[in-house]
Amino acid sequence: AQRVTQPEKLLSVFKGAPVELKCNYSYSGSPELFWYVQYSRQRLQLLLRHISRESIKGFTADLNKGETSFHLKKPFAQEEDSAMYYCALFIKAAGNKLTFGGGTRVLVKP
Amino acid sequence: GAGVSQSPRYKVAKRGQDVALRCDPISGHVSPFWYQQALGQGPEFLTYFQNEAQLDKSGLPSDRFFAERPEGSVSTLKIQRTQQEDSAVYLCASSLPRDEQFFGPGTRLTVL
Repeated sequence: AQRVTQPEKLLSVFKGAPVELKCNYSYSGSPELFWYVQYSRQRLQLLLRHISRESIKGFTADLNKGETSFHLKKPFAQEEDSAMYYCALFIKAAGNKLTFGGGTRVLVKP
Repeated sequence: GAGVSQSPRYKVAKRGQDVALRCDPISGHVSPFWYQQALGQGPEFLTYFQNEAQLDKSGLPSDRFFAERPEGSVSTLKIQRTQQEDSAVYLCASSLPRDEQFFGPGTRLTVL
């Protein structure tokens, strides 16, 4: 069965410092990977998806099939980036469901 | 237009009580999804519909859980004889076929 692992429960960085959230998945085929974000008192929302290969709010993520990873990076963290971040896996052959990791809380200190 | 809505936002139930959680998908979306999110964990898939058909219910944890969507719009997740381990946030999401899933605010269920 597919699985998503986010090894860090909490990442605390200072404003302006780089931040990297790790995500590893288990699936041997061609998955679609997403990062979702949940800001305080807001609903879960899509941040970016690997097929778009775009930068959203300064965040980028590259799918590395060899390492089965989809790490999320931002070179200069801002206080408004403080939130919960979830990596998610979507496999067409397994229906339409998303498989989420356990989440990483990012705290950006001033 | 409005996003996915869920009601109630909070529900406290006594152990053994039945509960019903409601989801109103985005208008025009054919697929409501249900996820369960326990404290400190990521959301876990429960079930989803495409139109009125329940295409996957592999994530439902026991036969006390079932979902319905009788009229092709509102979806309801029902939990019978609630147990303490059912305490969680229940998220509804909706999408067009094989498209981005938009999430509702969730219903926080606490079973005493």
